[in-house]
Amino acid sequence: QKEVEQNSGPLSVPEGAIASLNCTYSDRVSQSFFWYRQYSGKSPELIMSIYSNGDKEDGRFTAQLNKASQYVSLLIRDSQPSDSATYLCAVSAGDSSYKLIFGSGTRLLVRP
Amino acid sequence: KAGVTQTPRYLIKTRGQQVTLSCSPISGHRSVSWYQQTPGQGLQFLFEYFSETQRNKGNFPGRFSGRQFSNSRSEMNVSTLELGDSALYLCASSLTTRRMNTEAFFGQGTRLTVV
Repeated sequence: QKEVEQNSGPLSVPEGAIASLNCTYSDRVSQSFFWYRQYSGKSPELIMSIYSNGDKEDGRFTAQLNKASQYVSLLIRDSQPSDSATYLCAVSAGDSSYKLIFGSGTRLLVRP
Repeated sequence: KAGVTQTPRYLIKTRGQQVTLSCSPISGHRSVSWYQQTPGQGLQFLFEYFSETQRNKGNFPGRFSGRQFSNSRSEMNVSTLELGDSALYLCASSLTTRRMNTEAFFGQGTRLTVV
């Protein structure tokens, strides 16, 4: 069973801190990795995509990928209360599949 | 550039009825995927279409079907509705390369309630 695992949280951090969200996946041939943010009652919004090992930075967000360890993470620097949401990790199924497998999401709470 | 548009936003149906949901992808995106989101099961893949062809299908019963038109717009249909079909149905559009899709962008979703 191909799976994507995330800690459901909630992960609570104070405003201004770094929030670290983690995700592991089981399909070794997955090639594409994504982080989505979903506010309550809204649809998922793409935050980051990453395809190669290493770090990818975009503003306050950094995605990290380690294919050998089958591990993806998202760091949010200078966390704001508006970052409070559920963060979904998504992994492509297989090396050329057009299907995304989602984790169950980590709920992040940023305390003012 | 307009985003992914899903209609309708909300639907209430009775058990046994059927429903059709519509999705217009981002201009230039030819891949359309459908997902079901429920509190218990999370986001689950239904199917994906490219150039009017279904390329991938999730583990859902045959009551769930879809199609894509030549302008890349897509519809999904659920027949003989059951209470458990109550969910948020999300459509996502992507650019596609020969081997894989790039980022998937979601529409606002259709909230289906079956009573």
